[in-house]
Amino acid sequence: GDSVTQMEGPVTLSEEAFLTINCTYTATGYPSLFWYVQYPGEGLQLLLKATKADDKGSNKGFEATYRKETTSFHLEKGSVQVSDSAVYFCALSNQGAQKLVFGQGTRLTINP
Amino acid sequence: DVKVTQSSRYLVKRTGEKVFLECVQDMDHENMFWYRQDPGLGLRLIYFSYDVKMKEKGDIPEGYSVSREKKERFSLILESASTNQTSMYLCASSPVGLAKNIQYFGAGTRLSVL
Repeated sequence: GDSVTQMEGPVTLSEEAFLTINCTYTATGYPSLFWYVQYPGEGLQLLLKATKADDKGSNKGFEATYRKETTSFHLEKGSVQVSDSAVYFCALSNQGAQKLVFGQGTRLTINP
Repeated sequence: DVKVTQSSRYLVKRTGEKVFLECVQDMDHENMFWYRQDPGLGLRLIYFSYDVKMKEKGDIPEGYSVSREKKERFSLILESASTNQTSMYLCASSPVGLAKNIQYFGAGTRLSVL
């Protein structure tokens, strides 16, 4: 079945560092791909998405590119802030499906 | 602003109790979902509903049931709570159509079963 694998956390960085969180997927067909973020004490919220190969999703300085050849959707940010500390989830949705399949989540901590 | 509200942030129950977790959304969404979130396991789907009185099992339905009598409300029921159901429970909703895969989440209910 469909699955999502994220890099293991926790990840700790200093403010203004470059961030990459790796995400790879296994799916039949052409899934849509998502990054959700969960700030402390809150539910998940959509950060960005991409619906087809080579699409780039972006929001709040974060970017991720849908790479079909490597089945990846890595999350990047050029300069992180303390306020980016959260848990990040990669997810996919396959054609016609209304369900999301989530990765295990990566906890990110940014130190000042 | 879209809103998904879960009735309790924290619950403590005893083994064997019947537990109700309530979720209400104000966006007129057709789809609603219940997940549990455990460290290292991400989110796992328990049940979802795509219409009033309709439900489908997710990946881990054992020990749970659901009820959707009104479009805006989706309840998760633990018939006889057990300690291995101690977890964070998240409710979500989504529309049908082009935006159907964007889910909106509540803040979660942290349930402890003693």
